Amino acid sequence: GEEVAQTPKHLVRGEGQKAKLYCAPIKGHSYVFWYQQVLKNEFKFLISFQNENVFDETGMPKERFSAKCLPNSPCSLEIQATKLEDSAVYFCASSQDRRGKNIQYFGAGTRLSVL
Amino acid sequence: TQLLEQSPQFLSIQEGENLTVYCNSSSVFSSLQWYRQEPGEGPVLLVTVVTGGEVKKLKRLTFQFGDARKDSSLHITAAQPGDTGLYLCAGLATQGGSEKLVFGKGTKLTVNP
Repeated sequence: GEEVAQTPKHLVRGEGQKAKLYCAPIKGHSYVFWYQQVLKNEFKFLISFQNENVFDETGMPKERFSAKCLPNSPCSLEIQATKLEDSAVYFCASSQDRRGKNIQYFGAGTRLSVL
Repeated sequence: TQLLEQSPQFLSIQEGENLTVYCNSSSVFSSLQWYRQEPGEGPVLLVTVVTGGEVKKLKRLTFQFGDARKDSSLHITAAQPGDTGLYLCAGLATQGGSEKLVFGKGTKLTVNP
């Protein structure tokens, strides 16, 4: 597609439940990035993929967070046993390549509320 | 860890006034991007500056990249209510072969009619 599509737009989970977020990158883009935007607008980098391979996962909380980008499927970010502090807006971005300007195009985000 | 300090965090001005938003860091970035984010939406790229000292203009918006590629500014001339929004700077950081965007905390701009 011509834009990064994220689903669902809103997700409500009870503490301890699983949450799964999806992202379809722009067609032809090789790189996918996940960010978490918490209160006060802070963006935190979580993980990036080059096609289906993890490129950089230095921002991922390893215990409960996992992500995949499989061929011919939307990318996904899964949080096992959600905690209250996981409440945030999760953004996915895609870029065509990593050289030079590396312009990232963002989706509209998924707002996760953990109650 | 590379950090970007963005200021001011909040700005409320009257229509027609000028304003400048700053992003500063002690680290060098490959490039710096400015985004605008509306409530309930993702950031939308306004401009990318790559070369030290580069100046780019987008109508009433002027973007500048510092000579040392550690800082940047966004200047808006004759602000209008339609300029209201969250402005984010993001530096492209290269670490160990990986590139990722490092975001400032944003400037929430309100332009009053």
